[in-house]
Amino acid sequence: GQNIDQPTEMTATEGAIVQINCTYQTSGFNGLFWYQQHAGEAPTFLSYNVLDGLEEKGRFSSFLSRSKGYSYLLLKELQMKDSASYLCAVMDSNYQLIWGAGTKLIIKP
Amino acid sequence: DTEVTQTPKHLVMGMTNKKSLKCEQHMGHRAMYWYKQKAKKPPELMFVYSYEKLSINESVPSRFSPECPNSSLLNLHLHALQPEDSALYLCASSRTQGSGANVLTFGAGSRLTVL
Repeated sequence: GQNIDQPTEMTATEGAIVQINCTYQTSGFNGLFWYQQHAGEAPTFLSYNVLDGLEEKGRFSSFLSRSKGYSYLLLKELQMKDSASYLCAVMDSNYQLIWGAGTKLIIKP
Repeated sequence: DTEVTQTPKHLVMGMTNKKSLKCEQHMGHRAMYWYKQKAKKPPELMFVYSYEKLSINESVPSRFSPECPNSSLLNLHLHALQPEDSALYLCASSRTQGSGANVLTFGAGSRLTVL
């Protein structure tokens, strides 16, 4: 079967750095996405990785290792507004998005 | 215009009612999606339209009926729903379906409560 694992919840301090991990086992691979979702709102796109390595976008970076079936989202200089759920999703060989259950990130002052 | 607009934002309906959710985008996207999301769960795909044709129906009960009148509009018609259908219904669009870097742009969602 297809499976995506991410931690259920993480807590971090304002101004710090946090890394949210995602491991996956899917039927084929056509890219990995990270979305941010604030409570009661729609998901918004953060990053897309299809090749191994690190993609940096401002305070957010995303890393992919296809051989290990592993990705992480790195958030630097955390702000209170970063409190949200972070969803990892993999596009399989049929171009279907397989979603992880999401990681709820709590930022404390 | 880089938005997906959904109406209504909130809907309360009885089990015998008929209502519709509406979604609109003007980004020239040719793929449109309906997702259902329960609290603390990821979005669950219901339907996909590609070039105004239904391409995916994820075994959704017939009390949910999608419609794509044109390339900018997507509707979800609701009839004889059950309380367990209460959820956030998300519309999304993407440039096309079936390509790798297929970024979904989501609408703000319609929060549905079935009494």
